[in-house]
Amino acid sequence: EDQVTQSPEALRLQEGESSSLNCSYTVSGLRGLFWYRQDPGKGPEFLFTLYSAGEEKEKERLKATLTKKESFLHITAPKPEDSATYLCAVQANSNSGYALNFGKGTSLLVTP
Amino acid sequence: DGGITQSPKYLFRKEGQNVTLSCEQNLNHDAMYWYRQDPGQGLRLIYYSQIVNDFQKGDIAEGYSVSREKKESFPLTVTSAQKNPTAFYLCASKIGHINQPQHFGDGTRLSIL
Repeated sequence: EDQVTQSPEALRLQEGESSSLNCSYTVSGLRGLFWYRQDPGKGPEFLFTLYSAGEEKEKERLKATLTKKESFLHITAPKPEDSATYLCAVQANSNSGYALNFGKGTSLLVTP
Repeated sequence: DGGITQSPKYLFRKEGQNVTLSCEQNLNHDAMYWYRQDPGQGLRLIYYSQIVNDFQKGDIAEGYSVSREKKESFPLTVTSAQKNPTAFYLCASKIGHINQPQHFGDGTRLSIL
């Protein structure tokens, strides 16, 4: 059975304190791994897509990387406005209709 | 502006009542999806549609129904058969190509009166 596990569940950082969020996955043939940001009461906002091991994507203070078993979302020198829940999702060969399997998310709080 | 519009933002359901959540997109996307989000759980797929007049059940379709009469619209009905409907409902859409991400609306929060 396809599984997506995110850790930690919650993370509190001080402004400027860099860290990483983890997304480990077990799927039967990865088509793509997606990172989203979700603010309270809002829908997820797309950040990155990664397709193959070794791939990296960057956007401002965020950098996503992918291996054959996990993905990391690195946050460099975070600011309070980076506080949100970060969701990881995978699209696998077993997902009909290009549907996504989501992890439970990591809730990030960045304090001044 | 192109995007996905969900309405209403908040909805209340009485016992035994069916309610319909609206999802409209002007992105010309082929595929549309409905997910349910509960606290502490990942998004779970309810229904999806890849083309007009065709839709498929997701992992938790029981107690829900959908229609896809127009490319832009994919309404979700929460029926009285859904015994635990309180949740945050999210609609998404994507271009038909395999490697494109899904884009989401801002959700509808459904509660029981």
